[in-house]
This record gives sequence, structure tokens and C-alpha cells, in this order.
Amino acid sequence: EAQVTQNPRYLITVTGKKLTVTCSQNMNHEYMSWYRQDPGLGLRQIYYSMNVEVTDKGDVPEGYKVSRKEKRNFPLILESPSPNQTSLYFCASSTHRGSNYGYTFGSGTRLTVV
Amino acid sequence: AQTVTQSQPEMSVQEAETVTLSCTYDTSESNYYLFWYKQPPSRQMILVIRQEAYKQQNATENRFSVNFQKAAKSFSLKISDSQLGDTAMYFCAFTKRDDKIIFGKGTRLHILP
Repeated sequence: EAQVTQNPRYLITVTGKKLTVTCSQNMNHEYMSWYRQDPGLGLRQIYYSMNVEVTDKGDVPEGYKVSRKEKRNFPLILESPSPNQTSLYFCASSTHRGSNYGYTFGSGTRLTVV
Repeated sequence: AQTVTQSQPEMSVQEAETVTLSCTYDTSESNYYLFWYKQPPSRQMILVIRQEAYKQQNATENRFSVNFQKAAKSFSLKISDSQLGDTAMYFCAFTKRDDKIIFGKGTRLHILP
């Protein structure tokens, strides 16, 4: 089954403790992206990757890091999480950035930073 | 820069009724793509319907259809014979070639029994 697998589904952590949210896709997509969803703000892009070793900032990149060492994986790293990073996070992938078929999304990670 | 506006933060309708969700967007492009995504309580983002701007015919997927008015930059979603399973957050989205998808802030839809 074609899918984007995102883990964990829920995560509670303390301020300053490094964490990684994993994302993997099995569709051989070149484009991958991270979004965060907050009430009243919709989905905002954090980082994206056009291909292996090619990453760039989205609209809200502060406090996040990403890497793309393999085509299928695109982890999101929070080196020192803060409470304002409490949010619902989505990984998405597509054949290319402006795909007319839209993106395939993971099932989301609910992150709480206390 | 492109923007997507959903003017209805929340809506409620009775089961079996028809409901229309509004979406407007702003762009200077002539060729682009529009989407409606559904996010049920399970949080999964599900693509409901998509429209290519160069196609005048409105897209339809079973009970879901759109009213695409290119000149007015409007892209509303109509749900016919609404069902309890249609209860969800709905996001309107826009993209153009070589650019990311931009999402509206969402409309929370409640289908009442």
C-alpha cells in the first residue's frame, strides 16, 4: 500500500530534550515536506526537500532541523523543544513540489512540550 | 504571494442536507491547481477533490462537487446528502507549478443526526 509512515503518533516531552519525528514514504517520491497544524492557523510549512541532500526552509523553520540522506526518509528534529512547538505535525510527500495530484500525508504526530 | 481564505470557521447541518463550504484565493497565475482536503477526527488528511484551473468543467467525486469560478477566484465545495461520516475539518488548498501547496485555515463541519 502506498503510504507515508510517520512516528510516533503521540509524544509528550520536556522543554529542551531533543527529539526526532520520523517520516518514511514508499512511493519513490522526490518531494517531501513537514507541516505543523495549529488551531485557527491551518497548516504551515516548516521545511521541505526536493530530493536527496536538498532541503530548504518553509514558512516557519525556526527551532527545527531536517535531513534527507535517503529518498524515502525525511526526519524532523527538534534540538531543544519549547512549549510553543506544541502542535500537530504532518509529513507529506509527492512526485514534485507543485503536484497537480496534491500531497500524500502521514497520519500526524501530536507533540506536547511541557 | 498566493493566499487561500476560508470564511466559515465552523458550520453545522442536519444529516441528508446539502452544505456548501466557501473558499476564495488570490493569485496572478493563470494555471494552477486547487484541492479540498478532509481531516476527520482520526487526523488523517484525505484528498477529497481536485480541480485544474485550465479545465472549465467543475470536478465531481460522488457526493462531493465543486463550484469553480476562475474569474471570481472562488472554489466552493458542495456536499450532497451529507452523512455523519462527513463530520470533519475541511481545508481548501492551492498550488502552482514548482511551488508548495498553500492551505486555508479550515472549516470545521458538523453533521447532526
